[in-house]
Amino acid sequence: NAGVTQTPKFQVLKTGQSMTLQCAQDMNHNSMYWYRQDPGMGLRLIYYSASEGTTDKGEVPNGYNVSRLNKREFSLRLESAAPSQTSVYFCASSETGVEGTDTQYFGPGTRLTVL
Amino acid sequence: AQSVTQPDIHITVSEGASLELRCNYSYGATPYLFWYVQSPGQGLQLLLKYFSGDTLVQGIKGFEAEFKRSQSSFNLRKPSVHWSDAAEYFCAVGAGSGKSTFGDGTTLTVKP
Repeated sequence: NAGVTQTPKFQVLKTGQSMTLQCAQDMNHNSMYWYRQDPGMGLRLIYYSASEGTTDKGEVPNGYNVSRLNKREFSLRLESAAPSQTSVYFCASSETGVEGTDTQYFGPGTRLTVL
Repeated sequence: AQSVTQPDIHITVSEGASLELRCNYSYGATPYLFWYVQSPGQGLQLLLKYFSGDTLVQGIKGFEAEFKRSQSSFNLRKPSVHWSDAAEYFCAVGAGSGKSTFGDGTTLTVKP
């Protein structure tokens, strides 16, 4: 049981390049999330997916797109990277719809630098 | 909309001393409350959570937190801090929909 996995762990991009961050979970969770973490700003929600086939914008969606490929996988795409997108990106999942849950399980993160 | 405030950006305590990290939330109904810990270079890990019932909840690694509705607080405590507790701690509030709002975090430094 690997939990939540993310690839790659590190990435350096040039301004204007595109890339996709991959996330997969093996806990059969309904919901998945993408966050970015910047110093002193905590975690900010980029996009989330409450269930397979649905996605919704979070707090900071501009410049990003997502795909919920199936129940296990949720990818984040940067179409044209900008230096402001330099950050650490975390994927998380949770089991929702059940009283007393909503605990989020996090991946190890992707450290992205845009030059 | 829900929100979380962690008033202390950075706290330093001596090993063996007690610890209290503050968290205040804003939410119209009964909240789902969480504390997560993040070690350097790692993702977040759940320490404890409160949904209902006893307002004093126990978590992993000897941590506990107390929900005080009248003060809109959910402070994290530990009686005796160990050097391995040095990390960043996040309080979060949820509405039961899965989405949570996180505070900005408190960095804990432990002095030998």
